[in-house]
Amino acid sequence: DAGVIQSPRHEVTEMGQEVTLRCKPISGHDYLFWYRQTMMRGLELLIYFNNNVPIDDSGMPEDRFSAKMPNASFSTLKIQPSEPRDSAVYFCASSLRLAVYNEQFFGPGTRLTVL
Amino acid sequence: KQEVTQIPAALSVPEGENLVLNCSFTDSAIYNLQWFRQDPGKGLTSLLLIQSSQREQTSGRLNASLDKSSGRSTLYIAASQPGDSATYLCAGGKTSYDKVIFGPGTSLSVIP
Repeated sequence: DAGVIQSPRHEVTEMGQEVTLRCKPISGHDYLFWYRQTMMRGLELLIYFNNNVPIDDSGMPEDRFSAKMPNASFSTLKIQPSEPRDSAVYFCASSLRLAVYNEQFFGPGTRLTVL
Repeated sequence: KQEVTQIPAALSVPEGENLVLNCSFTDSAIYNLQWFRQDPGKGLTSLLLIQSSQREQTSGRLNASLDKSSGRSTLYIAASQPGDSATYLCAGGKTSYDKVIFGPGTSLSVIP
């Protein structure tokens, strides 16, 4: 398996624009996680899905953020409108079952810069 | 609210030294614990996972232990090498269905 795949790897956009980040989890994994990493706040869980259903989105910072998982092999994280404080590295991860049972496997991340 | 600290925040050692990284949870009720490695500009790579029924895990030169009574974990790296230079993060969950909380990481530099 190619591991967790994320695209794009880098995104530079202007404030107010819509940003869409994409993730393909490892085939057969039931859980998908979206994280955000910044120097100030470290690694934060934004939302996670189980079998394509959002389970906990309490980490989503604002209504500007939304995530979907239309099928078992694809998820998106959308920011609309984007703001400079959204600049961070966004990671997607997947696991066979909820993380406390099984290892999480991370994608390479998307480095987002909002000017 | 569960919080995680990692000590030290940064560490620089000469090649060949044995070293210990520490991870501590404010709530000692840790169900299991995972150690990750992150190279600059990269994602996280899982190193070791200590399950609820275990106290430690070993992989090559790495050994991780978990003291559930205190909520503390250590990652021991034997005979460090320059290739071990990276940031090491611990992550744990309080219950079997709790989401995982990550520590801030320890930045390790092994000098040749």
